[in-house]
Amino acid sequence: KAGVTQTPRYLIKTRGQQVTLSCSPISGHRSVSWYQQTPGQGLQFLFEYFSETQRNKGNFPGRFSGRQFSNSRSEMNVSTLELGDSALYLCASRNAGATYNEQFFGPGTRLTVL
Amino acid sequence: AQRVTQPEKLLSVFKGAPVELKCNYSYSGSPELFWYVQYSRQRLQLLLRHISRESIKGFTADLNKGETSFHLKKPFAQEEDSAMYYCALSGYNNNDMRFGAGTRLTVKP
Repeated sequence: KAGVTQTPRYLIKTRGQQVTLSCSPISGHRSVSWYQQTPGQGLQFLFEYFSETQRNKGNFPGRFSGRQFSNSRSEMNVSTLELGDSALYLCASRNAGATYNEQFFGPGTRLTVL
Repeated sequence: AQRVTQPEKLLSVFKGAPVELKCNYSYSGSPELFWYVQYSRQRLQLLLRHISRESIKGFTADLNKGETSFHLKKPFAQEEDSAMYYCALSGYNNNDMRFGAGTRLTVKP
């Protein structure tokens, strides 16, 4: 099976702009989670979607939002970008019906806010 | 609330030396604990999970519920073990996986 894919791989934006990131999970995986990875904070959980519904949300401001489509593909949106939003954004998918909770990660989208 | 603490941001050992990456957690229920690894220029990937009680690439980790710890150990470190290691926790039937801040392991020749 193809792995988790994320587009674009790199983005450069300026403060105040908004951005949309995309994630395609492994075929058959209906759960998609988003994480922000920074050198100082490590991996921080943003939110998780399952069957087009947000099931869990981390401690991020409302500028961070997401959605999931019927084919399980997911998008994450960040509005009014701030310098501190510069990070690697990782998407992970999971087979929600599996016994184990293993998450499979994509390569990430590197967002730079100038 | 779920919380994972990795007290060491950086850890450096010599090749052949034992290595232990520490992980402590807080969770009120029955947790699932994992170690994920990210090698240079590669994706984050699962290294091992506590419920399978397996050894992967010579690494083992034992869940100590009394000390709420899940330390990762390897008796003889290799240079190829140099990577970023993340401890992660998920509650039983809970899809919210939380990660620690990570420990960067460097194995020197």
